[in-house]
Amino acid sequence: AQSVTQLDSQVPVFEEAPVELRCNYSSSVSVYLFWYVQYPNQGLQLLLKYLSGSTLVESINGFEAEFNKSQTSFHLRKPSVHISDTAEYFCAVSTRDDKIIFGKGTRLHILP
Amino acid sequence: KAGVTQTPRYLIKTRGQQVTLSCSPISGHRSVSWYQQTPGQGLQFLFEYFSETQRNKGNFPGRFSGRQFSNSRSEMNVSTLELGDSALYLCASSVGTTGETQYFGPGTRLLVL
Repeated sequence: AQSVTQLDSQVPVFEEAPVELRCNYSSSVSVYLFWYVQYPNQGLQLLLKYLSGSTLVESINGFEAEFNKSQTSFHLRKPSVHISDTAEYFCAVSTRDDKIIFGKGTRLHILP
Repeated sequence: KAGVTQTPRYLIKTRGQQVTLSCSPISGHRSVSWYQQTPGQGLQFLFEYFSETQRNKGNFPGRFSGRQFSNSRSEMNVSTLELGDSALYLCASSVGTTGETQYFGPGTRLLVL
């Protein structure tokens, strides 16, 4: 069975500074990888996903994540954060024949 | 298209009672998954239904059950409520094929007193 680890439960960062949210997974088979975002008092929304092809995937609001098979990682990055990026971010992994598994989430705090 | 809707949005129950939560998926979506979200445990998978059949199940006791109707709407039932069942219950729908995006509803916040 697969698993996913988000090492940082909270990440504080100043506005307009870069940020990286870390995600590592374990699986014995090929995986699909996702990042979801949850804004306060809302459900989760898909931010970006990797299914196959290019290992670098981007979202429409400036986030990007790179699938690194050798390091079993799928870290989320943004070069310059905005106050509106304050949210909880969830990394998730699934395989062809199994359910999706979510990490415990990382709370991103944007400092003015 | 209308998004995933969940009813009720908020619920207060007492220990020992039972509760039924409802989820209406996006039109055309055949898969509905349920999750429990708590500050301590994060997002935990309860079960997934696809075409009225339970396709996957998480590690929750038998007090947690669900079903899906022919129109893909789903209900989740929790019997003999415990204080620890207080959580945000999220429903997500998808087309049903592997790797497809899950679309989440706003959740039902359950408080057990």
